[in-house]
Amino acid sequence: DQQVKQNSPSLSVQEGRISILNCDYTNSMFDYFLWYKKYPAEGPTFLISISSIKDKNEDGRFTVFLNKSAKHLSLHIVPSQPGDSAVYFCAASGRLDYKLSFGAGTTVTVRA
Amino acid sequence: DTAVSQTPKYLVTQMGNDKSIKCEQNLGHDTMYWYKQDSKKFLKIMFSYNNKELIINETVPNRFSPKSPDKAHLNLHINSLELGDSAVYFCASSQGGYRPSYEQYFGPGTRLTVT
Repeated sequence: DQQVKQNSPSLSVQEGRISILNCDYTNSMFDYFLWYKKYPAEGPTFLISISSIKDKNEDGRFTVFLNKSAKHLSLHIVPSQPGDSAVYFCAASGRLDYKLSFGAGTTVTVRA
Repeated sequence: DTAVSQTPKYLVTQMGNDKSIKCEQNLGHDTMYWYKQDSKKFLKIMFSYNNKELIINETVPNRFSPKSPDKAHLNLHINSLELGDSAVYFCASSQGGYRPSYEQYFGPGTRLTVT
């Protein structure tokens, strides 16, 4: 039973435009959310996170938005660059958990 | 100077064999993890160790046995391999005890193929 869902397996965007990645979760006990980025033949690397006490967190070109009532978060990348082409995983954890629950990932391709 | 390393990177073996995957981290972290990425691409936690002590043991067949000889190493031994064990296995580590805000550092993965 997947508690974190990324319904778009892929996204193609032109260089310089905005990339918007979406993530939905079902567990209302989740209170911390993260995005990881993964290149081929490498492990995932941490990108950005947000606590449930916030609705937005920004780090350079990356912004994560959290809508708790809709159990939805999104990652915005502005402007998109060729080096952003990767798989992006959404992950979540609850206060009483000792683990991260991951989505299946969204493959982003940035076109020159 | 790889922070989290895994060996081997690729492993092809036959059903019924026993194999091990090794993981080492040089970050001084206290907590280490094993994840499985299956054909549907979900990353699922299998085990977590904190200071050599098992703290997470998800619903994993007991053919899988983690072993932590010290804080820097967490190995995964798999007995009687089955076709369904084919996946990419990732090792990860984080500082201190588990907190979601503690960034997890992942190894490059081991692609296991069981024929």
